Amino acid sequence: SQQGEEDPQALSIQEGENATMNCSYKTSINNLQWYRQNSGRGLVHLILIRSNEREKHSGRLRVTLDTSKKSSSLLITASRAADTASYFCATGAGSYQLTFGKGTKLSVIP
Amino acid sequence: EAGVAQSPRYKIIEKRQSVAFWCNPISGHATLYWYQQILGQGPKLLIQFQNNGVVDDSQLPKDRFSAERLKGVDSTLKIQPAKLEDSAVYLCASSLSFNKDAYEQYFGPGTRLTVT
Repeated sequence: SQQGEEDPQALSIQEGENATMNCSYKTSINNLQWYRQNSGRGLVHLILIRSNEREKHSGRLRVTLDTSKKSSSLLITASRAADTASYFCATGAGSYQLTFGKGTKLSVIP
Repeated sequence: EAGVAQSPRYKIIEKRQSVAFWCNPISGHATLYWYQQILGQGPKLLIQFQNNGVVDDSQLPKDRFSAERLKGVDSTLKIQPAKLEDSAVYLCASSLSFNKDAYEQYFGPGTRLTVT
């Protein structure tokens, strides 16, 4: 079964705009990660946030985590056409395993 | 450093045939994972190895799927016999998993399987 549920399922924005996608999960976690998947390619790790952290930044990415609401958000600022991809949240709860959501498909229009 | 290697990249077979996928993880990564990703969904874990031992294979359909990692490095995933619903991308990933309470996984490009 899939733990995380991303919202929205699809998002289309203009280049330069910000993109926000959300992830909700059901059970306790010790970390949450975001991955990107370009069309026809494998997944690439973007950022990891631990359960005792509330916010984390990496370049144009900003991730927040609210464990009381069991939710996370990924913000991509100043989007580029190259950001077009599917974005997945993955929750980790031990045993070095991750459970992935269904993903948000982001389209950035030049 | 070299990434996770997988082969073949594409495979088309008829139902009831068998197929095998190969994965070579990043050097030094003790943990290896096989995932199944059906079109439009996120990856689903099939099996997790720590060195050459199985940590979790609870979601592996053991009547038709098998996997091994004999020397704690390369791994193969086999399907025999294949069903139409096995059409998916099979992803291999690896990670460092010692002295860490959280980690990232490194994914290979995947093998796209089509069962006709």
